[in-house]
Amino acid sequence: AQSVTQLDSHVSVSEGTPVLLRCNYSSSYSPSLFWYVQHPNKGLQLLLKYTSAATLVKGINGFEAEFKKSETSFHLTKPSAHMSDAAEYFCVVSPITGTASKLTFGTGTRLQVTL
Amino acid sequence: GAGVSQSPSNKVTEKGKDVELRCDPISGHTALYWYRQRLGQGLEFLIYFQGNSAPDKSGLPSDRFSAERTGESVSTLTIQRTQQEDSAVYLCASSTGLAPYEQYFGPGTRLTVT
Repeated sequence: AQSVTQLDSHVSVSEGTPVLLRCNYSSSYSPSLFWYVQHPNKGLQLLLKYTSAATLVKGINGFEAEFKKSETSFHLTKPSAHMSDAAEYFCVVSPITGTASKLTFGTGTRLQVTL
Repeated sequence: GAGVSQSPSNKVTEKGKDVELRCDPISGHTALYWYRQRLGQGLEFLIYFQGNSAPDKSGLPSDRFSAERTGESVSTLTIQRTQQEDSAVYLCASSTGLAPYEQYFGPGTRLTVT
C-alpha cells in the first residue's frame, strides 16, 4: 500500500522569495515520486521525478526536490518564486516495481505568489 | 511529438442525458487512465487500461460510468443518465506502462450538467 500527504493545502509567498511545498509518503515498495503542476484551467504537467537515482532531482522552471528516505519526504523547492509559479501542485507516489501502475496523488497544494 | 488529446474540451448537458468523452493517448503508450477532478479538489482515479489486460475499473463511482479502449489507441468514457454531481473536469493520461509509470495528461474535458 502507498499513500502521500501534502502537509499544506495553501502556501503564499512573495515574488522573489523561496518556495517550499511539503510532501511525505509511505510505500511498501521502493517508490517513484513525482511532482505535477496544474495551472488554472489546464491539464497536469510533470515537473520532476525521482526514480532511485540521485536523491536531489532537478525539474523544469527552476524547481527541485530532495528525496529523504529517513524522513519519508520529497519536498519541492525553488529559490525564487515568480508570479507564473502560481498554480496547484500535486505530489505523487508510484511503486518502482510490481505490476500496479496506478499513481497515488496527494490532495494538492495551492501556491499563491504575491507582489 | 503530439501529447494526449481530449475532446470535447467543454461539454454542457442536461441532467439525464448520456455523454461520451474521448481520449487520444500518446502513440505507443500502452497504459491509459481516466480521472475525475471536481472543482477545487484533487484527482479521483476512475479506470485504467493496460494493453490487452482486463481494465481496472475499481474507481468507477457507479454503473452509470463505463469506458472502452480500442487496442492501444483511443478511449471513450461514457456517463449515462448524467447527474449534477457528475459535473467535473475529466482528465485522461497515458504512460508507457513501464516503471517509473510517469503519466502524461491531456487538457481535460470540463463537463457541466444542468
